[in-house]
Amino acid sequence: DAGVIQSPRHEVTEMGQEVTLRCKPISGHNSLFWYRQTMMRGLELLIYFNNNVPIDDSGMPEDRFSAKMPNASFSTLKIQPSEPRDSAVYFCASRPDSQNTGELFFGEGSRLTVL
Amino acid sequence: AQSVTQPDIHITVSEGASLELRCNYSYGATPYLFWYVQSPGQGLQLLLKYFSGDTLVQGIKGFEAEFKRSQSSFNLRKPSVHWSDAAEYFCAVGTPYSSASKIIFGSGTRLSIRP
Repeated sequence: DAGVIQSPRHEVTEMGQEVTLRCKPISGHNSLFWYRQTMMRGLELLIYFNNNVPIDDSGMPEDRFSAKMPNASFSTLKIQPSEPRDSAVYFCASRPDSQNTGELFFGEGSRLTVL
Repeated sequence: AQSVTQPDIHITVSEGASLELRCNYSYGATPYLFWYVQSPGQGLQLLLKYFSGDTLVQGIKGFEAEFKRSQSSFNLRKPSVHWSDAAEYFCAVGTPYSSASKIIFGSGTRLSIRP
């Protein structure tokens, strides 16, 4: 299995630009999570989906952030417009409902730098 | 809502010494509990998990953790650390499984190994 695939691995952009992060979950996994990691705030849960439906987006910091999951094999996290304080590593993780133990499988992350 | 606390930000131990990383959780019932490890520039990898049964659980790389309900704790231990164990360690808590359950992470403990 290829694991959770995230792209891009690194993104450097200027303040005000739109940023789109992408995630391909493990095939057959029903739940998908987006986390943000910073030194100051640690790992924050932004949003998660189950069967492509957003279940809890209470962690999305503000309206500049949006996430979609148009099908079972693809999700995006968009920031528009981006700000320097959005600089972080963004992780995507997926989980199979069938295992009933809650384990998450993480991608390698997308490191975002907003100048 | 569930929460998890890792009181130690950074720990340094000598190679070959024993290790204990602390984790305390808050949840009204017995949660699912996890320890993940993150090497620099990598995603998170599951070390071990507890969701029922024996309160002492064994994981990969020689790690173990003990669930103590009376203390709301799930401390991670290893009898003898190796230089390759230097990494960031995260404790996480999840609600007993349903499609709506989410995983919340602690702030992490960075482990350094003294030669």
